[in-house]
Amino acid sequence: DIQMTQSPPSLSASLGDKVTITCQASQNINKYIAWYQQKPGKAPRQLIRYTSTLVSGTPSRFSGSGSGRDYSFSISNVESEDIASYYCLQYDNLPYTFGAGTKLELK
Amino acid sequence: EVQLVESGGGLVQPGSSLKVSCVASGFTFSSYVMHWFRQAPENGIEWLAYINTDSSSTHYAETVKGRFTISRDNAKNTVDMQLSSLRSEDTAMYFCAREALWTPDYWGQGVMVTVSS
Repeated sequence: DIQMTQSPPSLSASLGDKVTITCQASQNINKYIAWYQQKPGKAPRQLIRYTSTLVSGTPSRFSGSGSGRDYSFSISNVESEDIASYYCLQYDNLPYTFGAGTKLELK
Repeated sequence: EVQLVESGGGLVQPGSSLKVSCVASGFTFSSYVMHWFRQAPENGIEWLAYINTDSSSTHYAETVKGRFTISRDNAKNTVDMQLSSLRSEDTAMYFCAREALWTPDYWGQGVMVTVSS
């Protein structure tokens, strides 16, 4: 199985900050990584697929990049509605595997 | 509007069985691969199972292989998961999700399964 190492586990940011989350795969995942936002008690919401493609409805302050084993996800100009947990998902191979998540909090 | 609605959760004893279901609407269900995932309380997300459009192919996580069975009914727009030989570590919120462009895009709101004596 492909392991996804996500960091940091938590982030504290002020409104307007830029934050970055990273995921490292245990092997090349050919850019097949997606990023999800999850708020308490809610289902995950897909924000980005195939490393950097924003899905419909995702604000442009979200972005993704990377290749090979190393990927990152950023939020520029953090807004209050962005307070949530974020997860990366590799879908290059079954079993699909997630990072452990990053909890974004307001400073 | 794409909607996925799970049902069938509850409190069950260890060793028992339960079926969770997901009804889809707002898209052509028979054209989409479907998945089940779960999330234990205060924990990360785990992929459980996959079923292709005509049910000819299924895949399972090792943690549930032989105990859980995924199935679908394209006439009823439903995807089910039969959970058997349940253990305390199966306690989680269970989500169904649609796959589009090889990635799970829309998820249901989830259904809670608690395994406890």
